[in-house]
Amino acid sequence: GQSLEQPSEVTAVEGAIVQINCTYQTSGFYGLSWYQQHDGGAPTFLSYNGLDGLEETGRFSSFLSRSDSYGYLLLQELQMKDSASYFCAVRERSSASKIIFGSGTRLSIRP
Amino acid sequence: DGGITQSPKYLFRKEGQNVTLSCEQNLNHDAMYWYRQDPGQGLRLIYYSQIVNDFQKGDIAEGYSVSREKKESFPLTVTSAQKNPTAFYLCASSILTAADTIYFGEGSWLTVV
Repeated sequence: GQSLEQPSEVTAVEGAIVQINCTYQTSGFYGLSWYQQHDGGAPTFLSYNGLDGLEETGRFSSFLSRSDSYGYLLLQELQMKDSASYFCAVRERSSASKIIFGSGTRLSIRP
Repeated sequence: DGGITQSPKYLFRKEGQNVTLSCEQNLNHDAMYWYRQDPGQGLRLIYYSQIVNDFQKGDIAEGYSVSREKKESFPLTVTSAQKNPTAFYLCASSILTAADTIYFGEGSWLTVV
């Protein structure tokens, strides 16, 4: 089976840069995705890495290293509205539509 | 507008009762999913379906049942066999060729009283 580990909480200052890590144990997956969820709301898609390397989407970037079983989400120029929970997720190769989520990282932004 | 509609938003259930959560999507997506989220926790997969009349158990299927009679609908029944059903339930969908991106409904809060 799959397991994805994330830090439970991260705190950062407005305007700064923060990195949220995701380490995984898996028998095979297609790619690593990241989702954002504000309190009481639904998760929304942020970024996807199908190949190793860095993907950039505005203030958000995501990185994947399959050899290290590791990925991260990088948030730059932090804004108060970035305070939310962030989840990494993978789609298993063994079952094409089964998508598994990590335990989530709660990001708190201080002024 | 296209999207995923879950209902009801809030639901209270007495112990021993079954309850059904509705999920409808008009995105023409093939795959649909149900996740459970406990406060401050991650998303755990209950059931998922790739095509009509077919579905698979996720990691925590015990005490739940689903059906997929129509492409756009994937209702979840929380049965009395689910011992701790109080949670936030999220329905999601995706197209199979881009199944790494899934779209969520606004969720349903279920409380057992």
